[in-house]
Amino acid sequence: GQNIDQPTEMTATEGAIVQINCTYQTSGFNGLFWYQQHAGEAPTFLSYNVLDGLEEKGRFSSFLSRSKGYSYLLLKELQMKDSASYLCAVRDGGSARQLTFGSGTQLTVLP
Amino acid sequence: GAVVSQHPSRVICKSGTSVKIECRSLDFQATTMFWYRQFPKQSLMLMATSNEGSKATYEQGVEKDKFLINHASLTLSTLTVTSAHPEDSSFYICSARGDTPPNEAFFGQGTRLTVV
Repeated sequence: GQNIDQPTEMTATEGAIVQINCTYQTSGFNGLFWYQQHAGEAPTFLSYNVLDGLEEKGRFSSFLSRSKGYSYLLLKELQMKDSASYLCAVRDGGSARQLTFGSGTQLTVLP
Repeated sequence: GAVVSQHPSRVICKSGTSVKIECRSLDFQATTMFWYRQFPKQSLMLMATSNEGSKATYEQGVEKDKFLINHASLTLSTLTVTSAHPEDSSFYICSARGDTPPNEAFFGQGTRLTVV
């Protein structure tokens, strides 16, 4: 099975940088995803890591260390619209390639 | 990116009735779709994996006779909540894996079900 941990809540200031951590213990691994979810809406894809290292995409970056079972999502130049829940999800190695989601980190960006 | 359409977005039904939720992949074929349930301020809990042309695979604790899944074509999966009860009220979301790497999951808009 999969066990995924991430902080429940974080608060940051507009224009700042915030790092959201995710640790996981898995029986199989085929990639780690970060999704953003605004209240009452479906999640939207942010980033994907399958190899160790940093993936950068605009204001968002994601890092993975498979040996440590650790990932983080880095958000730069925070904007008010970045206030949302950020979900860390691990894909297993089975044929169905299911995603198991962490509980999500509710980020609040303050002016 | 790929588009997954889920319908309806909101539904209110009476206890004891059944509700059908549709999930369609609009511009790609999805042999596998996933159905999730989400309670307020909680994460997505996988209910079942829907396989085109075969029976769905349900997660432990999910009643297959209550949550009927039909994946009749490569672009459509349906979830029917049968004999709904107030405790079935929740946010239901479907997803389908994209057909190009990294094959990320694309989500439908979600369905807010309220059983009164």
